[in-house]
Amino acid sequence: KNQVEQSPQSLIILEGKNCTLQCNYTVSPFSNLRWYKQDTGRGPVSLTIMTFSENTKSNGRYTATLDADTKQSSLHITASQLSDSASYICVVRENNAGNMLTFGGGTRLMVKP
Amino acid sequence: GAGVSQSPSNKVTEKGKDVELRCDPISGHTALYWYRQSLGQGLEFLIYFQGNSAPDKSGLPSDRFSAERTGGSVSTLTIQRTQQEDSAVYLCASSFPGQNSPLHFGNGTRLTVT
Repeated sequence: KNQVEQSPQSLIILEGKNCTLQCNYTVSPFSNLRWYKQDTGRGPVSLTIMTFSENTKSNGRYTATLDADTKQSSLHITASQLSDSASYICVVRENNAGNMLTFGGGTRLMVKP
Repeated sequence: GAGVSQSPSNKVTEKGKDVELRCDPISGHTALYWYRQSLGQGLEFLIYFQGNSAPDKSGLPSDRFSAERTGGSVSTLTIQRTQQEDSAVYLCASSFPGQNSPLHFGNGTRLTVT
């Protein structure tokens, strides 16, 4: 069964600090891996999408890495801001003609002043 | 341009009543998804529409749930004879076709069944 596991489940950091969120997956065959940010009461917003051949992708202070051999991804947040407080969701897509997206349970990040 | 719009944003209904949730996708997006998110939980796939193809209904939890997409644009998710366990946030997303197209989500409808 395809699975996406995220860790930690929750994290509290001080404003200005860096943090790294982890995502392990068993989805196969692999097409791409996405990170989404979900603010409370809002829908998820896409941060990055990485295909098999991409090892890293940045979006401002967010940098995602992908190791397709070990089936691991990380999302690194640099110089955190209060507005980074949200849930971060890892999503992996199967390489098929359908719509198979497997969602992780998310990491809830709280940035404190 | 406008994003994905969902209505209503909140809905409180009595157990046993039917509800309709609406999703207006981004213009030109041929793919449309419905997901359900319970409090503190991950997203649960419900149904997927792609162009004129038959929808993938494999995620619908029971025959009380149904969805339509008229004219390849607006979609309606209907829940008949609502139960308390149906209480959740129902999220709609749309995208261009293609495996690498990001999903654009609406802000959801929070359904509370009393």
